[in-house]
Amino acid sequence: AQKITQTQPGMFVQEKEAVTLDCTYDTSDQSYGLFWYKQPSSGEMIFLIYQGSYDEQNATEGRYSLNFQKARKSANLVISASQLGDSAMYFCAMRGHAGNNRKLIWGLGTSLAVNP
Amino acid sequence: EAGVAQSPRYKIIEKRQSVAFWCNPISGHATLYWYQQILGQGPKLLIQFQNNGVVDDSQLPKDRFSAERLKGVDSTLKIQPAKLEDSAVYLCASRVGRGGRRGSTDTQYFGPGTRLTVL
Repeated sequence: AQKITQTQPGMFVQEKEAVTLDCTYDTSDQSYGLFWYKQPSSGEMIFLIYQGSYDEQNATEGRYSLNFQKARKSANLVISASQLGDSAMYFCAMRGHAGNNRKLIWGLGTSLAVNP
Repeated sequence: EAGVAQSPRYKIIEKRQSVAFWCNPISGHATLYWYQQILGQGPKLLIQFQNNGVVDDSQLPKDRFSAERLKGVDSTLKIQPAKLEDSAVYLCASRVGRGGRRGSTDTQYFGPGTRLTVL
């Protein structure tokens, strides 16, 4: 069965510093996609970044980068130069590409607080 | 490009009442999802549509929940009758479609959600 694990329930970071949010996954699929979403207190789920399992380069989107280590089955999110508006819940998710694994599987999330 | 639209944003009802939520996906997105997110948890898939057909409704409590996407575009999720444990955020998401293994074709885009409180 597929599984996503986020071991950090809460994280604090000083404004303008970088922060890494951890995500490990388990799957038997050879091909899969990994996602990070941000959920502010307003409730909307905002897509941040995508990494395909066969992508050789780590994904980057502005201040967001994904540290993808396939052998370790980890897909950590790195936020550079944190801003106050980055305070939110962050969810790691995975979608397999075969059979019954096409459903998006979610971690429990990490609550990030950015301090001024 | 317009995002996923949902209404209402907030709804408060008493138990045993009925409620309906509406979702309009991103134009051209064939796949539509309804999720339930209880406070402190990740989203739970309730139902997935491909055009106007149901792909997965295995976690939909069919004795009280129903959903439709009659013309393959917008969708409605209904709860009848509501229970206290239905208090949650209901998220609608859409994706371009089946197949496609990379980037935007694999990504689900979410609406702002509907926060339901059942008293």
